[in-house]
Amino acid sequence: ETGVTQTPRHLVMGMTNKKSLKCEQHLGHNAMYWYKQSAKKPLELMFVYSLEERVENNSVPSRFSPECPNSSHLFLHLHTLQPEDSALYLCASSQDGRPNSPLHFGNGTRLTVT
Amino acid sequence: QKEVEQDPGPLSVPEGAIVSLNCTYSNSAFQYFMWYRQYSRKGPELLMYTYSSGNKEDGRFTAQVDKSSKYISLFIRDSQPSDSATYLCAMSAQSGNTPLVFGKGTRLSVIA
Repeated sequence: ETGVTQTPRHLVMGMTNKKSLKCEQHLGHNAMYWYKQSAKKPLELMFVYSLEERVENNSVPSRFSPECPNSSHLFLHLHTLQPEDSALYLCASSQDGRPNSPLHFGNGTRLTVT
Repeated sequence: QKEVEQDPGPLSVPEGAIVSLNCTYSNSAFQYFMWYRQYSRKGPELLMYTYSSGNKEDGRFTAQVDKSSKYISLFIRDSQPSDSATYLCAMSAQSGNTPLVFGKGTRLSVIA
């Protein structure tokens, strides 16, 4: 399998649940990202990992917790979410963590918080 | 003023039309300019990548950067129904800690 793969594609969770999003890249890249995409808003960068070290944390609420066990895998652990957290969560990878490196995105996880 | 402005549309054109998509920006440090295309229920994919000012052409697509006006454009010639998607502009500086900044995206429909 090639590219960036995200699972699950869809997720519905209550505000008290704990769930995790998974991302895997098969491109040999050294940086991985989590983005949030909401209607009528620009893509919001949440987290960046470069060589498995977190280099960006854009004031994301602590109910979102990333994990990067190696350069090919990235997780986003979710707990006690709010309805406004409902969105499309996109994982991406790039050759390195520089802002001008082209991103390769997965197809996202559509999250609904009830 | 937002860092990147992009009209969200929707924009609807007949097949074969020339489409012009645009973004303006405020940060004069931006030097790398990208266009991503996002089909429904898919992630964005890189369409065009340009550095500094000038034009870049790839098939029916032309990316244009005017740094003096802080304005970038994507032109699509002979538009096809398969071009129906959301187009996102994105830009970054040469260096520093400012991450890639995206526009809101313009939703395009090409009608057969």
